[in-house]
Amino acid sequence: AQKITQTQPGMFVQEKEAVTLDCTYDTSDPSYGLFWYKQPSSGEMIFLIYQGSYDQQNATEGRYSLNFQKARKSANLVISASQLGDSAMYFCAMREGLTNAGKSTFGDGTTLTVKP
Amino acid sequence: GAGVSQSPSNKVTEKGKDVELRCDPISGHTALYWYRQSLGQGLEFLIYFQGNSAPDKSGLPSDRFSAERTGGSVSTLTIQRTQQEDSAVYLCASSLSLLSTDTQYFGPGTRLTVL
Repeated sequence: AQKITQTQPGMFVQEKEAVTLDCTYDTSDPSYGLFWYKQPSSGEMIFLIYQGSYDQQNATEGRYSLNFQKARKSANLVISASQLGDSAMYFCAMREGLTNAGKSTFGDGTTLTVKP
Repeated sequence: GAGVSQSPSNKVTEKGKDVELRCDPISGHTALYWYRQSLGQGLEFLIYFQGNSAPDKSGLPSDRFSAERTGGSVSTLTIQRTQQEDSAVYLCASSLSLLSTDTQYFGPGTRLTVL
């Protein structure tokens, strides 16, 4: 079974609107970290936001927030007030285990296009 | 300090030749990771290091692939007898440690093209 599933290959959003990118995960380990990365056409992987499995509150970083629903095993990324520069590929990733999280798993990504 | 650096940024080689890709992690980061990304695809995990040790090499696609890390810093990914299917972007990342709370920071990647 896929450990990280991103069901939206492509998404479109109007500039200044909010958009939610979906991510579901599968693990039996109680300790894990969930990460979102942005990859623009330049190819660099830019860290956006982190959510730990024991965190009680949803993570927020500026215009990025993570809708963490542990029971559903989902960690959706919400981008508020979309900007043209947000057009990129977005990856959800998971690191399992507490102290030996060497092997990370990435989803297949969602390509976000922001329309002016 | 500086981020993760990788060299070369681009490498074009002929089928059958060996190539070496280099990664210089963020200073102080004990963990280092290699990934491969084919065009338009997600990231395929290859190998990770804790210090100079690589506990799990099962992600390497074949025995033509090897990696080492020396001095707990620079790492080299070597591909012997390259094949066309090895063409991809090879990404390196580092993190403070192997804690699942630690963020991986990525380098700019090396784009490998095998003719």
